[in-house]
Amino acid sequence: DIQMTQSPSSLSASIGDRVTITCRASQSISTYLNWYQQKPGKAPKLLIYAASSLQSGVPSRFSGSGSGTDFTLTISSLQPEDFATYYCQQSYSSRTFGQGTKVDI
Amino acid sequence: QVQLQESGPGLVKPSQTLSLTCSVSGGSISRGDYYWSWIRQPPGKGLEWIGYFSFSGSTLYNPSLKSRVIMSVDTSKNHFSLELSFVTAADTAVYYCVRDTSGAARPRFDYWGQGTLVTVSS
Repeated sequence: DIQMTQSPSSLSASIGDRVTITCRASQSISTYLNWYQQKPGKAPKLLIYAASSLQSGVPSRFSGSGSGTDFTLTISSLQPEDFATYYCQQSYSSRTFGQGTKVDI
Repeated sequence: QVQLQESGPGLVKPSQTLSLTCSVSGGSISRGDYYWSWIRQPPGKGLEWIGYFSFSGSTLYNPSLKSRVIMSVDTSKNHFSLELSFVTAADTAVYYCVRDTSGAARPRFDYWGQGTLVTVSS
């Protein structure tokens, strides 16, 4: 099974900050990597697919990069509505999620 | 706009079978270019993929749950179902039904149900 490891597990940030979350796969997954945002009590929402493609309707301050085993989600200027938990997920072999990164104040 | 809605008992006794249904609207479940997945999230914890199936017959379950999981579909009602047998307290979670764009170059979960909490307790 492919394991996904996110870092950090949590981070504190301020409005306007540039935030970076990393995700590492236990083996190469090419660009079969997606990012989701989840707010309390809500279902996750797809932000980025195929490592760097922005899902329709998602603000351009969100971006993704990487291939192989190392990936990054970047929020260029943190907004109040971005405080949430973020998950990476691989679809190269079966489906696996990272453990999540909580972004709070 | 595709919408998914989970339904089923919110309380299940230990050792019994958890049964949930996902009703799909705004799109046919019979389209072969999508998989239909179940994902769960224990309270305060992360997301765990349970498995998927497709109308074309592809099925894949999480190895850690495979021996207890059955997924099925009713195309006449445009809904699909999950059965998880021999449940324990560790199966207490919010269960989501989700569309998986299997036919895409890079599959992803693009539409999610709102989730339903299932508690395992006597």
